[in-house]
Amino acid sequence: AQSVTQLGSHVSVSEGALVLLRCNYSSSVPPYLFWYVQYPNQGLQLLLKYTTGATLVKGINGFEAEFKKSETSFHLTKPSAHMSDAAEYFCAVSEGANSKLTFGKGITLSVRP
Amino acid sequence: DTGVSQNPRHKITKRGQNVTFRCDPISEHNRLYWYRQTLGQGPEFLTYFQNEAQLEKSRLLSDRFSAERPKGSFSTLEIQRTEQGDSAMYLCASRPSNGGASGANVLTFGAGSRLTVL
Repeated sequence: AQSVTQLGSHVSVSEGALVLLRCNYSSSVPPYLFWYVQYPNQGLQLLLKYTTGATLVKGINGFEAEFKKSETSFHLTKPSAHMSDAAEYFCAVSEGANSKLTFGKGITLSVRP
Repeated sequence: DTGVSQNPRHKITKRGQNVTFRCDPISEHNRLYWYRQTLGQGPEFLTYFQNEAQLEKSRLLSDRFSAERPKGSFSTLEIQRTEQGDSAMYLCASRPSNGGASGANVLTFGAGSRLTVL
């Protein structure tokens, strides 16, 4: 069965600093991988996705993630944090195009002025 | 297109009462999903529909929970005899049956319906 591990529940960075949010997955088949962001009182919004092809994927708001099969990882990065990046971030996996998404527990990102 | 709409946004009820949530997906989306999110956790899959057919249900969906999508458009999620453990955010999401332009299984989520059981 597919699963996602997001270690830690909270990451705090200074404005302008590198953002790194970790995600490891388990899947019995080549996975589809996703990062979603959730702002308070809002639904989940897709940041980026990996299906096949290029392993470095770019998303909205300057975020990117790299699929590393050997490490079963899909870490999310952004070179320079902005105050507006403060939110909860969820990594998700699906086993192909027709499988349901399985989410990790999420990580809350705080950005200090 | 106004996205995925969920109502009510917030429901407070007493233990033992029944509640119903409604989800209106994006109009051309054949697939509709329900997830539950509790504090400090990620969304957990409950069930999904392809048009009006309910194709999969999680074991989390006890017999007090029932979901319908009678005409393949909007969906309702009913919880009977609510318990305090049912307090959560109930999220609805939709996607085209072919996964969209990239076939990538991207879900579009609504803002959720928050249930508080006293």
